[in-house]
This record gives sequence, C-alpha cells and structure tokens, in this order.
Amino acid sequence: DAGVTQSPTHLIKTRGQQVTLRCSPKSGHDTVSWYQQALGQGPQFIFQYYEEEERQRGNFPDRFSGHQFPNYSSELNVNALLLGDSALYLCASSPRDRGLEQYFGPGTRLTVT
Amino acid sequence: KNQVEQSPQSLIILEGKNCTLQCNYTVSPFSNLRWYKQDTGRGPVSLTIMTFSENTKSNGRYTATLDADTKQSSLHITASQLSDSASYICVVSALNNAGNMLTFGGGTRLMVKP
Repeated sequence: DAGVTQSPTHLIKTRGQQVTLRCSPKSGHDTVSWYQQALGQGPQFIFQYYEEEERQRGNFPDRFSGHQFPNYSSELNVNALLLGDSALYLCASSPRDRGLEQYFGPGTRLTVT
Repeated sequence: KNQVEQSPQSLIILEGKNCTLQCNYTVSPFSNLRWYKQDTGRGPVSLTIMTFSENTKSNGRYTATLDADTKQSSLHITASQLSDSASYICVVSALNNAGNMLTFGGGTRLMVKP
C-alpha cells in the first residue's frame, strides 16, 4: 500500500510563471490538505479538499488554487510566481471520518528564480 | 488567533543523552495535539497524538505529555541516537464546522552528536 505520493520531487520556475503540483492520497483517504513550508519554518496551511470542493483555506492569496479529482487525488496551482513562493510544498491526506489519521507526502521542493 | 510556540528553536546533545522539547499553544476549541518528526527535505512523520483527556503517550523512546489546563506539551526523547537528528514539530488541532484545522509550531531542530 503506497502512502501519500507527490510529484514532481523538485521544480525550478521563473518569476511570473505558473506551476502545478500533484498529490495522490494514501489508499482509503478522501481528504487532502496542502501546506507551504519555508526553509527553517513550520508548515503553513494553504487549503483542504474534500468531495472535490475546497472546505477550508488558510491565509494565502488567490494565486494559490487547487482541485480535487473523483479519485481523491489533488493538484495545487500557483500563478504569477514570486520569489517568496520558494518552499517545500507538502500534501497530507486523511480519512474524513477519522481526522486524527493524517499522513504527509515527501513534498515538492519549488525554487523560484 | 491560534498560535503554537516551540522551544528551544535548536538543540545540540550528545548521543545517549536525554532531552525535552517544549510546546505552548493558544488554540481554541482544542481537539488534539500531535508531535511530528521531520527529516530535512522530507514530509513530517507522526510520533504521537493526544486528545484532551490524555496527559501522557509514549512511542518507543519518545514520550509526550499534555497539560490541557496550562496549554503546554512536552516531548521527551530518551537515550538519543544519531538518527534522532531532525526537526520536531508540535501541531495543535482545532475543531470547527469544516473539520480539524491544524496549527503548526515552528519546530525544534535537534542535532545529536557522537
């Protein structure tokens, strides 16, 4: 049973570009959350998806958007990239009815130059 | 505003020694508190999860405590090993209508030296 998987592992983009990150949840999990972790900081909550809808959102601008597919996988899109968007982007999945069980993926390291 | 503060920010100990990491929080309404271990460049891995009624939980050499009255938690690592070198993150969950909302601390970076 694969855990949470994310792709790509690393990504380098230029300011102003757009990026899409992908996440496949652990088998049996239907809720996906996205986090941004700057170097040396704790993760910051971006948003959470359940039943293909955004259910909760942290303090991130509209440049950050997402999507959840019927198979529960999810995408994080960031438009008009800024240098400050450089970070490790973590995806976490959990079963809706057992919210204590949250598993993190390995993350995608995004560098904006 | 929900906040989680961890101390110390960083810590260096010798292999075999014990250490204790601290977490103070102001999160409401409290649902649960989790400690994660995060190796550099990797995703966090859960060590313990405690709900309001639990005040101690162990996972091998890791023991977490929770004082819900003072809103404090600690993570005690016994007989440290080189592989314990990592960041340790305290995460507090608030329960709202949409489910659990997690607030992360900034982490304590632990280095275990031989």
